[in-house]
Amino acid sequence: AQSVTQLGSHVSVSEGALVLLRCNYSSSVPPYLFWYVQYPNQGLQLLLKYTSAATLVKGINGFEAEFKKSETSFHLTKPSAHMSDAAEYFCAVSLTGANSKLTFGKGITLSVRP
Amino acid sequence: DAMVIQNPRYQVTQFGKPVTLSCSQTLNHNVMYWYQQKSSQAPKLLFHYYDKDFNNEADTPDNFQSRRPNTSFCFLDIRSPGLGDAAMYLCATSRGRDRGKYEQYFGPGTRLTVT
Repeated sequence: AQSVTQLGSHVSVSEGALVLLRCNYSSSVPPYLFWYVQYPNQGLQLLLKYTSAATLVKGINGFEAEFKKSETSFHLTKPSAHMSDAAEYFCAVSLTGANSKLTFGKGITLSVRP
Repeated sequence: DAMVIQNPRYQVTQFGKPVTLSCSQTLNHNVMYWYQQKSSQAPKLLFHYYDKDFNNEADTPDNFQSRRPNTSFCFLDIRSPGLGDAAMYLCATSRGRDRGKYEQYFGPGTRLTVT
């Protein structure tokens, strides 16, 4: 079975500072990895997705994530935080196949200070 | 724009009074999902439809039912809501069931309050 771990529940950064949200996965076979963003009272929006084509994945809104097999990590970064980045971020993992499950981490709340 | 629509956005129901949440999509996707998301928790999959084929998660309570009358619409019925069913309910769609290969597109959610 696959799983993801998002350590901590809240990250606070200053506007313009680096954003780093951590995600570690567990999977017996190479997984697909996702980052979703959820703004207050909204649904989830896909930020980016790792499908094994490239280890550095660029997503929307200036976010990117790097797949590191040796560290079983898929951390999300953005060089310069913007106030509009304040939201909840979920890392998720899936295997391939018709019976695959999309397993979410518990999420991290990002706050951006002026 | 093609999208996933959920109505209503906010629903208040009384303890034990049946309630139905609605989801529609203009993406013409084969798969529709219902998730339950409680405060500060990850979304939890309740069930999904692949076309007309209904797939229930093993730990979904019998109190939760779903209907998909056509490709575009899917309904979540809660037969006797309890206080513990208060949550955000998210509908999502995807082209296929392979959750690694096919992205899921989420609606804005319906926040259910049980009084």
